[in-house]
This record gives sequence, structure tokens and C-alpha cells, in this order.
Amino acid sequence: AQSVSQHNHHVILSEAASLELGCNYSYGGTVNLFWYVQYPGQHLQLLLKYFSGDPLVKGIKGFEAEFIKSKFSFNLRKPSVQWSDTAEYFCAVSPFGNEKLTFGTGTRLTIIP
Amino acid sequence: NAGVMQNPRHLVRRRGQEARLRCSPMKGHSHVYWYRQLPEEGLKFMVYLQKENIIDESGMPKERFSAEFPKEGPSILRIQQVVRGDSAAYFCASSRERNADTQYFGPGTRLTVL
Repeated sequence: AQSVSQHNHHVILSEAASLELGCNYSYGGTVNLFWYVQYPGQHLQLLLKYFSGDPLVKGIKGFEAEFIKSKFSFNLRKPSVQWSDTAEYFCAVSPFGNEKLTFGTGTRLTIIP
Repeated sequence: NAGVMQNPRHLVRRRGQEARLRCSPMKGHSHVYWYRQLPEEGLKFMVYLQKENIIDESGMPKERFSAEFPKEGPSILRIQQVVRGDSAAYFCASSRERNADTQYFGPGTRLTVL
């Protein structure tokens, strides 16, 4: 069975700082990878996804993630965060061709103005 | 185009009662997925349904939990004889196709068992 690890439980940054949130997964086969965001009081929204092709994936709101197959990682990055990025971020994986998403425990990001 | 709807948003039950959680998928979506988020944990897959069919229930507890997605109406996640350990946020997602690019999530139902 696949699993997802997000090592940072709570990250606090000042506005304009650069962000990198770690995500490692465990699965032997081909996977699809996702980052979801949950803003306070709102539901989960897709930030970006990787299915195949260029391992550097760009998403909404200036976020990007890089798939490094050899490290089983899919870290989320943003060069300059804003206060509005305060939210909880979830990494998720599904085996290729399978709809079942497995989520990490999430990283709470707090941006200080 | 309305998003995935879930109701109720908050549900309080006493031990031994039944809980019914409803999920209306997005228009045009015939695939529904239920996930559970226990405190301090990530979302865990429970069940995947298409209209009138359960496709994958590998994440459902063996007892007390059931799900359905009838031809008409919302998908229902039913928990019989709830216990305190069932307290969690239950999320529903829907997609247009089986191998959809993404699943669209509802706002969740927070179940509290007293």
C-alpha cells in the first residue's frame, strides 16, 4: 500500500520569504502526484498535479512542484509567499490508473505579514 | 456550476445512534469518493462508487459503515451505532470519469460523537 509523508507539520514564514514543503511517498509503481490546499473555512482545492512529462509542474497562484523519481519526492515551492497563502497543504498520491488518493497528514502554513 | 455539496456540515450524535452523511456530486459527475480525516491525520480513502455500484470499498471499516449512490439523489455514507472513535471529518469528492485528472472535494461533514 502506498503512503505519503509530510515532514513539516507547521511552517511559519514572513511575507516574501521563499517556501518549500516536503513530500515523500512510498509506492513501487507509477504514480500520479497532487498538492491540495485548504484555506481557512474552505474546502480542499487542487493546487497542481503531476501525471507524466516535465517533472517540474506549475500550478495556480505561483506554486510549483518538482517530481524527483529517484527520491520519491514531490516538494512544493513558491519563491515569494503572501499572507493569503496561509492555509493547510496536503500532498497526495494515487497509483497510475487508480482513483484512490492517499494523503499526507498536511502542513499548516502560517504567513506573518 | 455548483461544486460538490455535502450536508450536514456539522453532525452531533450520541453513542449508539446512526449518522447519515449526504454528498451531491458536481453536475455531470457520476463518480463519488468518500474520505475520512481523523484528528491529526491525513485524509484516508474509504469507498469509491459509481451510480448504483460500489467499485472499491477497501477503505471502509468492516462493520457499521455502508455507502450507496442511487440512480437518483445524493450519495449516502451511513454509520450505524456510532462510537466516539467515529468522530472525524468526512469528505466527499466527485469526478467526471473513472480516471479523471482530479477529484473535486466538498466542504466536508464534521461528525462529533458524544
